[in-house]
Amino acid sequence: ETGVTQTPRHLVMGMTNKKSLKCEQHLGHNAMYWYKQSAKKPLELMFVYSLEERVENNSVPSRFSPECPNSSHLFLHLHTLQPEDSALYLCASSLLNAGEQYFGPGTRLTVT
Amino acid sequence: GENVEQHPSTLSVQEGDSAVIKCTYSDSASNYFPWYKQELGKGPQLIIDIRSNVGEKKDQRIAVTLNKTAKHFSLHITETQPEDSAVYFCAASKYSGNQFYFGTGTSLTVIP
Repeated sequence: ETGVTQTPRHLVMGMTNKKSLKCEQHLGHNAMYWYKQSAKKPLELMFVYSLEERVENNSVPSRFSPECPNSSHLFLHLHTLQPEDSALYLCASSLLNAGEQYFGPGTRLTVT
Repeated sequence: GENVEQHPSTLSVQEGDSAVIKCTYSDSASNYFPWYKQELGKGPQLIIDIRSNVGEKKDQRIAVTLNKTAKHFSLHITETQPEDSAVYFCAASKYSGNQFYFGTGTSLTVIP
């Protein structure tokens, strides 16, 4: 285990639903990340939180809304998603400006 | 921005043989190059990394080489075992930065 946990591991939701993904890190890190992993494509960075403040938003649609209440927890709130949003959503954490990122197991999201 | 290319996309080797995965990058300012292994149903796991002040790093059966002039780096796995079967990702970053640029992955199969 990497010290980064994600729940739920699998999620099926309709396009009109609202759901949230949760990430928790037990490594004492101060930066957290959301990535989207789709088949045959590189991992796409969605959001970066540093010291609980969002520092990067790589042009992600507003139907994805992140929240970082403290340095150990990260959420991704989902609403009115599209089928093309179906993917594996990965959370990662690191020490700020210190290289190595550690990933959680991911949430497999299917939008129907 | 940075562009990372990874080859091959799939690789099959006989158990005991060596496997080599290659990546190129475009931004000469990148100075940190991690490699991740992703097994089915799990998130990427950091297996080895290298910084631009060294040309080679080895950890048991795994080694990474870096050619800064040519902007390419490679992962070498010797004496492959079935448990090495997974998808491997390279990435490039600035060590003091939070933005990782990932390759598209190599699916390695080790045939017993």
